[in-house]
Amino acid sequence: AQSVTQLDSQVPVFEEAPVELRCNYSSSVSVYLFWYVQYPNQGLQLLLKYLSGSTLVKGINGFEAEFNKSQTSFHLRKPSVHISDTAEYFCAVSDWGSGNTGKLIFGQGTTLQVKP
Amino acid sequence: DAGVTQSPTHLIKTRGQQVTLRCSPKSGHDTVSWYQQALGQGPQFIFQYYEEEERQRGNFPDRFSGHQFPNYSSELNVNALLLGDSALYLCASSLAGGANTEAFFGQGTRLTVV
Repeated sequence: AQSVTQLDSQVPVFEEAPVELRCNYSSSVSVYLFWYVQYPNQGLQLLLKYLSGSTLVKGINGFEAEFNKSQTSFHLRKPSVHISDTAEYFCAVSDWGSGNTGKLIFGQGTTLQVKP
Repeated sequence: DAGVTQSPTHLIKTRGQQVTLRCSPKSGHDTVSWYQQALGQGPQFIFQYYEEEERQRGNFPDRFSGHQFPNYSSELNVNALLLGDSALYLCASSLAGGANTEAFFGQGTRLTVV
């Protein structure tokens, strides 16, 4: 079965500093990878996705992620964070093997705390 | 485009009661998935509806059931509520397709069981 591990539960960082949120997945078949952001008391918003092609994926709000098949990783990065980036971030994998329905398997989440 | 809308936004129920949550998908979408997000956890897949039938189900008991209507909107029903059912319930809509289909999420319904 596929699974997603987000290696950091909380990441504190100062404003304008770079940040990396780490995500590893396990899968024996083709995968599609996603990063979602969740602001307090809100639903999930898609930041970016890897479906195929270039392993460096750019998303909204200046975020990017790199798919590394050999490391089974999909780490999220931003070169300079803002206070408004404070939120919960979820890495997710789409399940190709069981039904190919687009069912998402999520990690536990990483809380990004941006300090002034 | 109104996006995915869920109702109600908040709900308080007593143990043993039944609850119905509703979801209207994004315009043009025909597939609805439901997720449960417990406090401090990532969302967990409950089930997915397509063409008014349950297409895939996660590891949830039969107390959780659903329905999809001809206009693609959906309901999630939970019977015999337990304290552990307290969570944010998220609805996601998408176009029928494979694992590379993008899902759009609603704001969620916060269910509290007391």
